[in-house]
Parts: sequence; structure tokens; C-alpha cells
Amino acid sequence: GAGVSQSPRYKVAKRGQDVALRCDPISGHVSLFWYQQALGQGPEFLTYFQNEAQLDKSGLPSDRFFAERPEGSVSTLKIQRTQQEDSAVYLCASSSQGYYEQYFGPGTRLTVT
Amino acid sequence: GESVGLHLPTLSVQEGDNSIINCAYSNSASDYFIWYKQESGKGPQFIIDIRSNMDKRQGQRVTVLLNKTVKHLSLQIAATQPGDSAVYFCAEPGGSNYKLTFGKGTLLTVNP
Repeated sequence: GAGVSQSPRYKVAKRGQDVALRCDPISGHVSLFWYQQALGQGPEFLTYFQNEAQLDKSGLPSDRFFAERPEGSVSTLKIQRTQQEDSAVYLCASSSQGYYEQYFGPGTRLTVT
Repeated sequence: GESVGLHLPTLSVQEGDNSIINCAYSNSASDYFIWYKQESGKGPQFIIDIRSNMDKRQGQRVTVLLNKTVKHLSLQIAATQPGDSAVYFCAEPGGSNYKLTFGKGTLLTVNP
């Protein structure tokens, strides 16, 4: 079956631009996660949804980061007024039961110039 | 600080050899651990997990060992193949029941 998909795969933004990153989780997965992965590092938690409810956004680095999942399936991570330090790979993961066996998408590589 | 970490950042092995990747954790209350494999340009892929009530768990060509006394776990890959070349991460829930805390990762390179 189809896995987690993310789009775009690559995004180049000029500093100050807004970007929107999309995640299509595995169908039927109630849990959805966003992670940020800097070069050479492990993924770091950003936020967690259970269906449409955002239960934890403690990992979002600033109020420029906003995530939504309005219908409990597709999710969008939005970054306003991008800064160079936002350059990273943004990974989306979904699971059917909390943290167990999170299935990751290929990620969106964001480069802010 | 990070709850999980790795002893070696890189590991180079010959094809056919066994590989051992190590990971230390600091939270003695951690009760579940996962190993992920991440190939270049891809997201992490679940390999195997282990609960704290187990010392060992085997999968296909992989074995995870957990030593709770010294808070250490390892991933053993038997008969390593070129397709095993990737970065390997250990991860654990860090006291939550949903988010994972990852270590920095070990780059495994398999030489033909």
C-alpha cells in the first residue's frame, strides 16, 4: 500500500518568504507527527496530532511555525518569514497507535537563502 | 540534553561481516526502544523494536540487545550487505507516549 508522502520534496525559499509543506499520511492512521532533521543529526520532534487535534506543539521552534490537520488526514506545516536557521529536512510520520511503529515520509528538504 | 546517544559516529565493514551498532541511553525509566535505518534522501525506516522487559529480540538478519544495567542497547546485523549502508538511529519515547527522541546516528558503510 501507499506509504507516507510529502510534497514538495525540495523547496528553496528566500529569507522572509512563507512556505507550506504538505504531508499525506497512511490512510487510517490517526497519529501524525512532524520532525525537523538538521544535517548530520537525528530527527527532532516538532508537533503531534491525533486525528484533527494538535495535542502537542512543544517542539515548534518559534511562533513562525504553524501546523494544521483540519480533517484528520492531510497535514500542512507552515513556516512564516523563513530564516536561514530553518534550513533542514522536515519529516512527517504517521502511526496507528501513538509512537509505536511510526512510518516516515521521504521528507521535504528546505533551503533558505 | 539528549536521552539517547551513540558511541561511534561511523562504522565501516566488509560485505559479509557482522556489524554492531551501539547506543547509550540515560533515562532508566525508558521502557521501549526502536532502531531506524535512514538511507540517503529517504525518511527513517523502522527496523526492529524492543521493550524493557526483554534482553534480546531477533528479526531477519538483525538482533537487538538491551542491557538495562548499563543502559545500553546494540543492533547487530548479520552478513552485512551493501544495501545495509545507511545511517542507523536508536530512538525512544522519552517518557511520553507519542514522540520519539532520536540519537545522532551511526553511518554504516559496507565495502564490497
